[in-house]
Amino acid sequence: GQNIDQPTEMTATEGAIVQINCTYQTSGFNGLFWYQQHAGEAPTFLSYNVLDGLEEKGRFSSFLSRSKGYSYLLLKELQMKDSASYLCAVGGNSGYSTLTFGKGTMLLVSP
Amino acid sequence: GAVVSQHPSRVICKSGTSVKIECRSLDFQATTMFWYRQFPKQSLMLMATSNEGSKATYEQGVEKDKFLINHASLTLSTLTVTSAHPEDSSFYICSAKDRPTEAFFGQGTRLTVV
Repeated sequence: GQNIDQPTEMTATEGAIVQINCTYQTSGFNGLFWYQQHAGEAPTFLSYNVLDGLEEKGRFSSFLSRSKGYSYLLLKELQMKDSASYLCAVGGNSGYSTLTFGKGTMLLVSP
Repeated sequence: GAVVSQHPSRVICKSGTSVKIECRSLDFQATTMFWYRQFPKQSLMLMATSNEGSKATYEQGVEKDKFLINHASLTLSTLTVTSAHPEDSSFYICSAKDRPTEAFFGQGTRLTVV
């Protein structure tokens, strides 16, 4: 089975740093994805981790620990436009298999 | 990155009619595309996996006779919602991968059945 957990909501202030955690228990694993989704829009790709460690990409970083079934997305220098839902998703056994999504974390950035 | 185009972005239809949604990979060939549905304030839920040249694979609880999927070419998959009802009103999103490390999404289709 597939089980992906992440917090429902988080709040932070502009300029701050926020970490969104994701834990997963899945029958197969071929990478962990983070997506950003603004209301009414399709998700946009943020990051992909398949090996343990930290991947940094500008203001966004993503970390993975496969042994712990744990990942986090780190957002630095928060901006108002970062207010969105952040989806953690796990890829299945094969490279082109589908993604299983967590329920998403709604991040609200305030001035 | 690769581009996936979905059309239409919004559609309103009468109860009992059918609606077709198109998903195209514009600059890559996608042997597999995925169709998701998202209800307000909920996550994406996989409906079916669309395979070029063969029958789609549906997730448990998704009616294959109601949600018809056709993947006739390497760049086009269609989802037809047949005999739509108000409870089918949702946000439908397709995605495709051009390589294992990244999945690209269409713009989504907001379906409203009245």
